[in-house]
Amino acid sequence: AQSVTQLGSHVSVSEGALVLLRCNYSSSVPPYLFWYVQYPNQGLQLLLKYTTGATLVKGINGFEAEFKKSETSFHLTKPSAHMSDAAEYFCAVSDRGNNRLAFGKGNQVVVIP
Amino acid sequence: KAGVTQTPRYLIKTRGQQVTLSCSPISGHRSVSWYQQTPGQGLQFLFEYFSETQRNKGNFPGRFSGRQFSNSRSEMNVSTLELGDSALYLCASSSGGTSNSYEQYFGPGTRLTVT
Repeated sequence: AQSVTQLGSHVSVSEGALVLLRCNYSSSVPPYLFWYVQYPNQGLQLLLKYTTGATLVKGINGFEAEFKKSETSFHLTKPSAHMSDAAEYFCAVSDRGNNRLAFGKGNQVVVIP
Repeated sequence: KAGVTQTPRYLIKTRGQQVTLSCSPISGHRSVSWYQQTPGQGLQFLFEYFSETQRNKGNFPGRFSGRQFSNSRSEMNVSTLELGDSALYLCASSSGGTSNSYEQYFGPGTRLTVT
């Protein structure tokens, strides 16, 4: 079964500083990889995805992530944090051709002015 | 296009009762998946329906069931509610049959509280 590890449930970052959220997965074959964001009292919004091709993927709101097969990682970054980035972020994986998502525990991001 | 809609948004039920939640996918989407979100267990997959057939099932007891109608709308039912069923239930839809079928779009969720 797929599994996802996100370390550090709460992440504090200063406004304008780099946002780095780590995600590692366990899978015998490269899965599909996703990052979702959840704002209070809302559903999940897809930030970006990796399925095939270029390993550096760009998403919405200035976020990007890099798939590293050798490290089984898919870390999320944003060069400069904005107050509006305060939310919970989830890394998720699925087997290729399968809609069943396995999620990490999430990172609650707090942006300090 | 309208997004995924879920009704109701909030529900309060008593232990032992049953509840039905509804999800309307994005127009044209044929796959609907359900997830349970709790502070302790996080986000967990319940099941997926595609063209009125259950295609995938998570590790939940039989009290949790679902169905999908010919218009792709889906319902999930929880019978004999327990306190631990209190959660945010999220529905996600995807096209299910095209090259972008792996992209899932989530609704706002139904917040179920069991007392």
